[in-house]
Amino acid sequence: GNSVTQMEGPVTLSEEAFLTINCTYTATGYPSLFWYVQYPGEGLQLLLKATKADDKGSNKGFEATYRKETTSFHLEKGSVQVSDSAVYFCALTSRGSGTYKYIFGTGTRLKVLA
Amino acid sequence: GAVVSQHPSRVICKSGTSVKIECRSLDFQATTMFWYRQFPKQSLMLMATSNEGSKATYEQGVEKDKFLINHASLTLSTLTVTSAHPEDSSFYICSAREEKAGRLNEQFFGPGTRLTVL
Repeated sequence: GNSVTQMEGPVTLSEEAFLTINCTYTATGYPSLFWYVQYPGEGLQLLLKATKADDKGSNKGFEATYRKETTSFHLEKGSVQVSDSAVYFCALTSRGSGTYKYIFGTGTRLKVLA
Repeated sequence: GAVVSQHPSRVICKSGTSVKIECRSLDFQATTMFWYRQFPKQSLMLMATSNEGSKATYEQGVEKDKFLINHASLTLSTLTVTSAHPEDSSFYICSAREEKAGRLNEQFFGPGTRLTVL
């Protein structure tokens, strides 16, 4: 079945450091890939997405490239800020049973120190 | 666009009572909505898929008599936790899918409801 594997956190970085959060997936067909961010006590916000191989999603300085050859969708940011502290979820969806269910990774907690 | 709201944002109730959580798509129609449960510091667990005008589809291990789902209109789905107990305390998140070509693979999430059962 489909699955998403994320690097375990927590990840602690100093402000302006480079961020990489690894995400790999297993899926049949051609899934769409997403990164969501969750701030404390809140729901999920879409950070970026990619719907086909080699697509690059980007938003607020974050980027991720859909790599079909390595089945990966790693999240990167060149210079993190304290306000980026949150939990990041990698997710995929595919047509599967026809309902496009989401499969989430376990989430990676990021803490950025001033 | 594609905003989903949930009400209430927080609820505290006594053990044995029932609690209803509403999920609304504010600016689009959603034939399909999803209900998730999130335990502290864990990922989201899909509980059920809510289909407008028909019965919800529950994931394995989720008690359908415990978590009643009603999707009476294209913009509203409700989750009722019946006879709530402390172990039902959790963060419940809904999402909705816009029934539009090219958008079927994306869900829009509500802000979540924190349920505490005393």
